[in-house]
Amino acid sequence: GAGVSQSPSNKVTEKGKDVELRCDPISGHTALYWYRQSLGQGLEFLIYFQGNSAPDKSGLPSDRFSAERTGGSVSTLTIQRTQQEDSAVYLCASRERVEGYEQYFGPGTRLTVT
Amino acid sequence: AQSVTQLGSHVSVSEGALVLLRCNYSSSVPPYLFWYVQYPNQGLQLLLKYTSAATLVKGINGFEAEFKKSETSFHLTKPSAHMSDAAEYFCAVSESAGNQFYFGTGTSLTVIP
Repeated sequence: GAGVSQSPSNKVTEKGKDVELRCDPISGHTALYWYRQSLGQGLEFLIYFQGNSAPDKSGLPSDRFSAERTGGSVSTLTIQRTQQEDSAVYLCASRERVEGYEQYFGPGTRLTVT
Repeated sequence: AQSVTQLGSHVSVSEGALVLLRCNYSSSVPPYLFWYVQYPNQGLQLLLKYTSAATLVKGINGFEAEFKKSETSFHLTKPSAHMSDAAEYFCAVSESAGNQFYFGTGTSLTVIP
């Protein structure tokens, strides 16, 4: 079946511009996660959605970052007034259920802020 | 909060040699443990997971890992390295009743021909 998809695969933007990154999770997966991976670094948790519950935003690095998940499916991560330090690969993952279930990752969006 | 430690950010092995990638976690409750692999310019792919069944877990591509509660470890091994194993490997832990995944900082595996 179809996996997690993300778009665009690559995004180059100028400093100060807003960007939107999209994630399409696996159909039926109730949980959705966003991570940031800087060059040569591990995964930095950003935000987590589970069903209709309020999202866990504890990993968002600043108020320039926000995310929403519409209809319990597609999610959009928005970065306002981008800075050069926002350059990274943004990974999305979905999970069928919570306990004991693994995450399935998308291919990521490589964001470059010039 | 949980933490995951991967000893050795870079590991090099010869082709055909044993692969051993180390992972230790901190948890006061029985966790779920995962190993993921990331090939260049790709997302993460699940290698194997431990979910409180057998302590020795077999995964894809000949990898396996053993859960050792007394050592709070979940090291990843493969008897004979192949060139195609060169990648970044991440250990992750999820609490039994939690939603968050905690990832280690990753180990880059190089296989020398």
